[in-house]
This record gives sequence, structure tokens and C-alpha cells, in this order.
Amino acid sequence: KNEVEQSPQNLTAQEGEFITINCSYSVGISALHWLQQHPGGGIVSLFMLSSGKKKHGRLIATINIQEKHSSLHITASHPRDSAVYICAVSGTASKLTFGTGTRLQVTL
Amino acid sequence: GAGVSQSPSNKVTEKGKDVELRCDPISGHTALYWYRQRLGQGLEFLIYFQGNSAPDKSGLPSDRFSAERTGESVSTLTIQRTQQEDSAVYLCASSLARYGGKETQYFGPGTRLLVL
Repeated sequence: KNEVEQSPQNLTAQEGEFITINCSYSVGISALHWLQQHPGGGIVSLFMLSSGKKKHGRLIATINIQEKHSSLHITASHPRDSAVYICAVSGTASKLTFGTGTRLQVTL
Repeated sequence: GAGVSQSPSNKVTEKGKDVELRCDPISGHTALYWYRQRLGQGLEFLIYFQGNSAPDKSGLPSDRFSAERTGESVSTLTIQRTQQEDSAVYLCASSLARYGGKETQYFGPGTRLLVL
């Protein structure tokens, strides 16, 4: 069993829909990271959180430490949100352990 | 300011040849990480530098892989006697590494390696 599990693996949504991607982990962590990888391959850090909730524009990330679970929400989705979203966790050593990613396609 | 840069962006080599991949982290970032993403697979950790030391090399897949960092800056990942299974995108990331795992990592654009 992987230390970081994401669901769903693939997600197709219509423009304007509310999207949720889930991440569960089985190890102790210092922080959980949500990353975005565009088709060209570049990776951008969206959020790093160790408790509670963070919001940036239409993106919201939450984490429940007791349940070892995090969610990434996208409100009013847009085709430009199409990308692979990756959940990763870091311990005190800072290296990241990654989930397998969720491929999101937002259509008009 | 400049982000993390990597070179070359693409590398095609023949099986058995050695390759060197370079990473220039963000200036002042003491932590540097190498990751690998094989086609259709998730990202995997290779090695972590704190300054010029590598306290965690646990992800290096074999002794054909080595890495060094100098001047608390540029890092080179070397793969000797390349094999076809080494084909992947090799990503470098850097961070300030001041907060014990609670810092954002900034990724470079990657080097796409193809071993024929």
C-alpha cells in the first residue's frame, strides 16, 4: 500500500463545476503539499499546510490531521485548471513522498 | 528573481553511456532535492542535499547513480552506464529548509532523458 493515496485517478468536469480531489496518507508528517503539473511537465506548489484550511483564489485546501486526510477543492472550474494535481507529504527531513496524481480535464 | 533552472532540457543517449544532469537552485536555498518521474508513473525521491552534504541518498536506485553539490549551489546528477529503464524526467527542487519539513519546494522544469 502506498504511503500517499489519491482519488480519483482521473476526473472530467464541465466548466463551472465544483471539484474535489482527495488524499489520504498513512505516515506521520510535518506538512502536506498540493502540487499542480501542467502538460508541459512543470510543477508548481499550490499549497503547503499542516493544519486547518488554506484558500487561494478559487482553490481551497483542507487537512484533517487526526484522520490523515486532505482535500483540494476547485470552485467554478475552468478549462485552464486542466492539469495533474499531486498530493505529497513531507516529514522533518523535508523530502516529499508523492501520491500518484489526479488527472483533471475541464471541458467547456 | 530567477527560479530553479536545469540543463539540458532534453537528453538522448545510447545505452551504456554516462550522462550528467545539472541543477541551479534558487540563490540562498540551502536544501536541494532530486526527483524522478518515469513515463506514466508518479514522482519518486532520489537524493536530498543540505548545503553540500547529502544526508539522505535513500532514493538512488543503484550505484550507477551519484550526485554532488558544490558551493551550496549547483548540483550535478550523474548516471553511469545508462540503461533504458533510466529514461525519465529528472526534476530538481530547492527550498530554504529552515522549518523542518514545513517549507515550500520550488521545482525546476526538468531534464527529459531518453536512453536508446
